[in-house]
Amino acid sequence: DAGVIQSPRHEVTEMGQEVTLRCKPISGHNSLFWYRQTMMRGLELLIYFNNNVPIDDSGMPEDRFSAKMPNASFSTLKIQPSEPRDSAVYFCASSTLAGSPLHFGNGTRLTVT
Amino acid sequence: QKEVEQNSGPLSVPEGAIASLNCTYSDRGSQSFFWYRQYSGKSPELIMFIYSNGDKEDGRFTAQLNKASQYVSLLIRDSQPSDSATYLCAVAQGDARGGSGGYNKLIFGAGTRLAVHP
Repeated sequence: DAGVIQSPRHEVTEMGQEVTLRCKPISGHNSLFWYRQTMMRGLELLIYFNNNVPIDDSGMPEDRFSAKMPNASFSTLKIQPSEPRDSAVYFCASSTLAGSPLHFGNGTRLTVT
Repeated sequence: QKEVEQNSGPLSVPEGAIASLNCTYSDRGSQSFFWYRQYSGKSPELIMFIYSNGDKEDGRFTAQLNKASQYVSLLIRDSQPSDSATYLCAVAQGDARGGSGGYNKLIFGAGTRLAVHP
């Protein structure tokens, strides 16, 4: 079991650039979650998918953020254009639909200068 | 009011003591409750989950749930310096839009920082 795989591990970009974060969930898991973690706000749920369908994106801060899950093994979180306040650690997590706990990836540390 | 509340700490306990971490939640319909541990610079890792009122023990860890009081706690017995970390309480909120099969949305508290000193 390779666990949840996120890439890149670190991303440094300039304000106004497009950023794409990637996630591969654990095989067989039906739910995928994107979280953002900052010192000020803790772990915030941005969006989650069930069976590749976005269910709740109410946590997405602005229209600059978008997420897709084209198939069961891949998801992206895109920020366009990026701003310095988007700097945070972004975690992807997956779980089965049956109520089992979330398994987190190692996160992507994003720095927008 | 935040949906999941924890004391941010730091909670400082001596090695070998019992550490008690507490969490309250606002959604009475919540059914599943989780404790995660997060070391600095790492991702959260699951320690315990509990679904029913009462206590659940796993090694040095005991989770306690009281749905009537909307309260969940984590006890760590014989605390070790390696237990020093931030402990995150998470509550699963059901969402009919997600279909059947259990919870769909896991909301985290801000975390309690635990420091175990030798």
